[in-house]
Amino acid sequence: TQLLEQSPQFLSIQEGENLTVYCNSSSVFSSLQWYRQEPGEGPVLLVTVVTGGEVKKLKRLTFQFGDARKDSSLHITAAQPGDTGLYLCAGRGAQKLVFGQGTRLTINP
Amino acid sequence: ETGVTQTPRHLVMGMTNKKSLKCEQHLGHNAMYWYKQSAKKPLELMFVYNFKEQTENNSVPSRFSPECPNSSHLFLHLHTLQPEDSALYLCASSQDRASGSYEQYFGPGTRLTVT
Repeated sequence: TQLLEQSPQFLSIQEGENLTVYCNSSSVFSSLQWYRQEPGEGPVLLVTVVTGGEVKKLKRLTFQFGDARKDSSLHITAAQPGDTGLYLCAGRGAQKLVFGQGTRLTINP
Repeated sequence: ETGVTQTPRHLVMGMTNKKSLKCEQHLGHNAMYWYKQSAKKPLELMFVYNFKEQTENNSVPSRFSPECPNSSHLFLHLHTLQPEDSALYLCASSQDRASGSYEQYFGPGTRLTVT
């Protein structure tokens, strides 16, 4: 069974700080996606990474796929209250997406 | 309407009731999914439909019955549910299973409470 572990599960920081959240597995995934989910809404796709070592940037968010395609990280620079939400990683396994349990991020003004 | 819509957004039902959740996607996709999201647990895939055919049922109890009349609509019929079925039920769509694009687009979910 393919599993994705996200860490930390909860993170609360002040506006302007930097942070990194992690998504790890012992399994190889052909691609990995990051979603953000705000309260009362469904997850929204942020990015898909496909190649080992790939780095993608989305404004202040930087996503990296591990060289072995078993892990990924999301780094946020100068966090803002609008970044608050549940961040989910999802790996493309055999015939379906495997989701991590999420990192709940709170940015305090 | 754009994207993926779900109705109702909130539902409270007793254990003996019968209700249905509705999902509609306006993205021209051919694959649709039902997920269950409970507190502190990863998203659980329940059912997958590809071109209206059910391709996956992840050991979901028979008290949950999906229906996909066409590629744009997906229903989840509920009957004799248990309190532990209370959760956020999310619908999603993607281009199709064969294209290899597993990028999924989610609806806002239905918050279900079983009393």
